[in-house]
Amino acid sequence: DTAVSQTPKYLVTQMGNDKSIKCEQNLGHDTMYWYKQDSKKFLKIMFSYNNKELIINETVPNRFSPKSPDKAHLNLHINSLELGDSAVYFCASSQMGTTEAFFGQGTRLTVV
Amino acid sequence: KQEVTQIPAALSVPEGENLVLNCSFTDSAIYNLQWFRQDPGKGLTSLLLIQSSQREQTSGRLNASLDKSSGRSTLYIAASQPGDSATYLCAVSAGNMLTFGGGTRLMVKP
Repeated sequence: DTAVSQTPKYLVTQMGNDKSIKCEQNLGHDTMYWYKQDSKKFLKIMFSYNNKELIINETVPNRFSPKSPDKAHLNLHINSLELGDSAVYFCASSQMGTTEAFFGQGTRLTVV
Repeated sequence: KQEVTQIPAALSVPEGENLVLNCSFTDSAIYNLQWFRQDPGKGLTSLLLIQSSQREQTSGRLNASLDKSSGRSTLYIAASQPGDSATYLCAVSAGNMLTFGGGTRLMVKP
């Protein structure tokens, strides 16, 4: 049973469109994250949620809006997609940020 | 602001060699340090987690050490195999987030 699952795995879309990526964890963790991995493979935090509350927003454009309906889900909605948004987006979870973090398989977003 | 650096950025070794990957961080106020493996086009697989109170962790041929006061960690891989070829990432946790290094791309040649 997958611990952290993201959908879709691949997403190709045109500039200006709006898209969502879904993330679910079945580990009972209270903290979830979104990371962006750019073309140079560097992983950078975007958002961190604890018990459905936003605790970190690392200067991400407001076109990106995370939504956490419950502790087990953290979805990412992106408005007005730009070419520079092309990257791999990873969802992750841990317990209170102090335990082992588990990552989803990633969503490769390509904006054309 | 926490910064994590990994050296070397790339490493190519013949099969069977023992090798050491290095990770350094600037802020010693961490909860834990985690080593991950990433295969091309794939997600991150957790290899080892070292809590801030621990000095090392071992799993099979892997051994990770942590020296919090000097801001350093090493990942030791014994008797490397071609299947070990991947990018290895270290990340430190300050509670609310993980800060990643740039990774070491390892190639083990048969």
